[in-house]
Amino acid sequence: ETGVTQTPRHLVMGMTNKKSLKCEQHLGHNAMYWYKQSAKKPLELMFVYSLEERVENNSVPSRFSPECPNSSHLFLHLHTLQPEDSALYLCASSQDGLGVGFDGYTFGSGTRLTVV
Amino acid sequence: KNQVEQSPQSLIILEGKNCTLQCNYTVSPFSNLRWYKQDTGRGPVSLTIMTFSENTKSNGRYTATLDADTKQSSLHITASQLSDSASYICVVSGSSNTGKLIFGQGTTLQVKP
Repeated sequence: ETGVTQTPRHLVMGMTNKKSLKCEQHLGHNAMYWYKQSAKKPLELMFVYSLEERVENNSVPSRFSPECPNSSHLFLHLHTLQPEDSALYLCASSQDGLGVGFDGYTFGSGTRLTVV
Repeated sequence: KNQVEQSPQSLIILEGKNCTLQCNYTVSPFSNLRWYKQDTGRGPVSLTIMTFSENTKSNGRYTATLDADTKQSSLHITASQLSDSASYICVVSGSSNTGKLIFGQGTTLQVKP
């Protein structure tokens, strides 16, 4: 385990369902991130939270809704998704708010999402 | 435009052989470059992080090099093992207020017995 835990590991949902992805970090980091990883494409940054405030939202559709209730937990609420949203969703955390610090990122193992 | 390009896209080698993965970037200004290993179905794990002034850094059988003048990096894997089969991702960090990480698309390495 890396210190960043994501649940569930796998999720299959219909286009009319509502589900949530959960991420928890036990590293004492100040920033948390959601990334989307599609096949054969680079990781895409979705959201950044620094000290529980959202500092970045990369033009992500409103069917994805993040929530950061405290510095250790991050959620991604999903509703009315499309099949093209099927991907690996990765959570990461870092000590500093920008993720450029020398200690870098720590990633979770991801949630494999399939939208049917 | 800030970009990170990796080559080859995929690679198959025999166990015990060496290989080298390439990363070219156009990110400017530059802060640091990282190599990550991502096993299938897992999140990326950091292998090395190099700043502008570092030319080479090793982590066991993994050796990363950086040429900041030509904006190129390589990851050399020595005496490959079956467990080296994974995707290897090059990530460049720029020195900006947003601090965005620019990810390459990865090289998929398969080590065969």
